[in-house]
Amino acid sequence: SAVISQKPSRDICQRGTSLTIQCQVDSQVTMMFWYRQQPGQSLTLIATANQGSEATYESGFVIDKFPISRPNLTFSTLTVSNMSPEDSSIYLCSTPEGDTQYFGPGTRLTVL
Amino acid sequence: AQSVTQPDIHITVSEGASLELRCNYSYGATPYLFWYVQSPGQGLQLLLKYFSGDTLVQGIKGFEAEFKRSQSSFNLRKPSVHWSDAAEYFCAVGAGGTASKLTFGTGTRLQVTL
Repeated sequence: SAVISQKPSRDICQRGTSLTIQCQVDSQVTMMFWYRQQPGQSLTLIATANQGSEATYESGFVIDKFPISRPNLTFSTLTVSNMSPEDSSIYLCSTPEGDTQYFGPGTRLTVL
Repeated sequence: AQSVTQPDIHITVSEGASLELRCNYSYGATPYLFWYVQSPGQGLQLLLKYFSGDTLVQGIKGFEAEFKRSQSSFNLRKPSVHWSDAAEYFCAVGAGGTASKLTFGTGTRLQVTL
């Protein structure tokens, strides 16, 4: 099964700043996804990180707010830009392997 | 578009008692269905999945789930709950009948009393 790591595991940030979250997979994968889990809520898909092309965003999420990079088949970053307290969430990356979706441990972001 | 409903936000059971967590889905074709568990401070762990075949699927940690097409349900069960089962449980359906983009339910928080 795919092993996924994320950095940082948690952070506390000031409003108006930006944070970049890294996601590393231990093997080359075609698809990578970014999810957000707001406090006490379920997971919501932010975007699909496409290697070699622009990310595909879900309704309600825009590139200016959540720019994503996918420089190769094992790595992706998600930036949370111009943060506000409403961005306080757990951000998770994931990848499917066969018929299963594997998730990273998540990055817990608190915005003050 | 697919959707998942978990009608129970919070459930409390005694250790050793049986457990059933409800999940209803909306999807036009045969769905790919999953149950994940999220323990405090932990990531998501896959408990079990259903794509086709036997409608009763076995998972890890003694969990099982039954797919009922007529009821659009995929309820999770465990015959005897352990205190370590206390966690948040999420049901999810795969978009387009795959394991790729998942739509999650709102989750059920399980509390286990000793």
